[in-house]
Amino acid sequence: NAGVTQTPKFRILKIGQSMTLQCTQDMNHNYMYWYRQDPGMGLKLIYYSVGAGITDKGEVPNGYNVSRSTTEDFPLRLELAAPSQTSVYFCASSYSRSGANVLTFGAGSRLTVL
Amino acid sequence: QQQVKQSPQSLIVQKGGISIINCAYENTAFDYFPWYQQFPGKGPALLIAIRPDVSEKKEGRFTISFNKSAKQFSLHIMDSQPGDSATYFCAAIKGGDFGNEKLTFGTGTRLTIIP
Repeated sequence: NAGVTQTPKFRILKIGQSMTLQCTQDMNHNYMYWYRQDPGMGLKLIYYSVGAGITDKGEVPNGYNVSRSTTEDFPLRLELAAPSQTSVYFCASSYSRSGANVLTFGAGSRLTVL
Repeated sequence: QQQVKQSPQSLIVQKGGISIINCAYENTAFDYFPWYQQFPGKGPALLIAIRPDVSEKKEGRFTISFNKSAKQFSLHIMDSQPGDSATYFCAAIKGGDFGNEKLTFGTGTRLTIIP
């Protein structure tokens, strides 16, 4: 049981480049989330999805896009990378939407934009 | 606007001591308060959680104390061990129809347990 798998673990981008962070889960969870984690700032929600074909913006969506074509996959697209997008990105999933339901996180993807 | 304030930002505790991390919130509609533990190079994982209808919840060496009138809650780690060295995040969410997308995280506390 792999849980939530994120790739790549590390990536360095040049300003203006684009890339996709991959996230896949094998728990048949309907709900998936993308967070970014910056030092001293905690976790900020970028985008989330309540099921295949449905996505919505979180607290900090600017500069990012997502898609959810299958239950398992929830890729995060960075267009025109900027230094402000240097961060550690976490994908998470949950079985239900309930606030009491446990979030299962991936191991993270560290992105540096130079 | 930071709805959940967490302190301290970093904490060093001697092995066997008590580690205490504090969080304060402003929104009285919050009714579920989880704590997440994150080891270096890993994603956060749920450690323990509490609802405001109880003042304390204990799971092994980990205890959440909750003060509803002061709008504060804290994590206590008894007999702290080097394996407890991690970053700890408190969080809060409203009940009712709100989902995990409304989960508000604190800024995190990096805990280091020294021998």
